[in-house]
Amino acid sequence: EDQVTQSPEALRLQEGESSSLNCSYTVSGLRGLFWYRQDPGKGPEFLFTLYSAGEEKEKERLKATLTKKESFLHITAPKPEDSATYLCAVQAYGFNKFYFGSGTKLNVKP
Amino acid sequence: GAVVSQHPSRVICKSGTSVKIECRSLDFQATTMFWYRQFPKQSLMLMATSNEGSKATYEQGVEKDKFLINHASLTLSTLTVTSAHPEDSSFYICSAGQGANSNQPQHFGDGTRLSIL
Repeated sequence: EDQVTQSPEALRLQEGESSSLNCSYTVSGLRGLFWYRQDPGKGPEFLFTLYSAGEEKEKERLKATLTKKESFLHITAPKPEDSATYLCAVQAYGFNKFYFGSGTKLNVKP
Repeated sequence: GAVVSQHPSRVICKSGTSVKIECRSLDFQATTMFWYRQFPKQSLMLMATSNEGSKATYEQGVEKDKFLINHASLTLSTLTVTSAHPEDSSFYICSAGQGANSNQPQHFGDGTRLSIL
C-alpha cells in the first residue's frame, strides 16, 4: 500500500538555525513527489515537485531533494515567516490522486 | 501560480441543513478536481475525485448520498453536504488538477470551515 510518513511531527527552531524535514515514502512507481506549505486556516500552497531520484529544487531559503525512498526539505537560516505546516504528497503511476503525509509543523522563533 | 477560489470560507448552520461549497479554477481548465476533509492537527483526507462531465469517484467510507459532488464545467465543482449533522463539522478543501494523466501539482483553494450546531 502506498504510504507517506513525515518527521518530525513538530519542529521548533531559532531564527537562523538551519534544519531539515523528512518525508519517507512507499509507492508502487513514483510519478511525482510534491511539497506544500499550509498556514493555519488556509489551503496548502504549492512549493516544489520532484520527479526522479537525485533531483533538487530550490526557492529562497528552501531546498527539496529526492532519493528513491525519501525526500528532504532543507530550510537554511529560517525566518519567523517560514513558520507553517509543511506537507509532503506522492503520486503513483496510473493514479490521479495524491497521498499526503501528516505534515511537519515548523515554528521559527525570532 | 494557478489560482483556485473556494466559497464560502466559513459556514455556521443548524443540524439538518444542506450546505453547498463551490470550487472554481480561475486561470486554467481543471479536468479533475479533488475534495478533501481535514481534521484539526491532521493531514488531508481525500474524499472524492471529480472529473468534468462524469460521476465522481468516492474514497472508501465516504457516503455518496451524503456528499454530493457536481463537476459540470472545467472551472467549477461543487460539494453539497446534505442534511448536515455536527459530526460533519470540519475543514473542507478542494483542489484542481490537470487531468487523469497529469503529473502536475494540484492547486488548492483556501478551504471552507463548516460548523454544524
